Amino acid sequence: QVQLQESGPGLVKPSETLSLICTVSGYSISSGYYWGWIRQPPGKGLEWIASIYHSGGTYYNPSLKSRVTISVDTSMNQFSLRLSSVTAADTAVYYCARDCNPYSSGGDIWGQGTMVTVSA
Amino acid sequence: QSALTQPASVSGSPGQSITISCTGTSSDVGSYNLVSWYQQQPGKAPKLMIYEGSKRPSGVSNRFSGSKSGNTASLTISGLQAEDEADYYCCSYAGISTLVFGGGTKLTVL
Repeated sequence: QVQLQESGPGLVKPSETLSLICTVSGYSISSGYYWGWIRQPPGKGLEWIASIYHSGGTYYNPSLKSRVTISVDTSMNQFSLRLSSVTAADTAVYYCARDCNPYSSGGDIWGQGTMVTVSA
Repeated sequence: QSALTQPASVSGSPGQSITISCTGTSSDVGSYNLVSWYQQQPGKAPKLMIYEGSKRPSGVSNRFSGSKSGNTASLTISGLQAEDEADYYCCSYAGISTLVFGGGTKLTVL
């Protein structure tokens, strides 16, 4: 079955860049769908960050756009998130999702999430 | 782009029906029938329960249903069960290729 797995550092220093990878198994990214990132600060709600189409079109939350880059590596069947100039407000569980379609839905299959803490 | 408005909490007894509302604006919920709903159990990733307003993914119980009236979308759970206790989030297309989530609703089964 289709599975998504987030990976990356659990601790990032303020002002540095957060980098996460989502590895997809059971489905080839190049076959279709939008792929995206959503985050959830501790005890708070969900926030859409960005989506990318399998062929490379990108879509960003306007409130984060200046700091976010999403990319896809079809050869590795992975997609990635980079968030620059992080602050404590970026501390959250970060989820990746399939069919995170900026025109309709947050996703039908999600990864288990990875906790990222921003702290010196 | 503001978060959609959901009640902080709702509750119901086993067997009852409950409805969770999700209020947006004419720029998001009101303009498109593209609301999805997610169930999140403690410590788990969200699970898609409803998409495109009223469609259920394969495997989701038909006790879950979605609807919309004006700028407000709703999730109804009928025949409430203890396992339905969770947080629920709505999500809508907000125009200009963006998505917006609601603040979440905690469902308590009494």
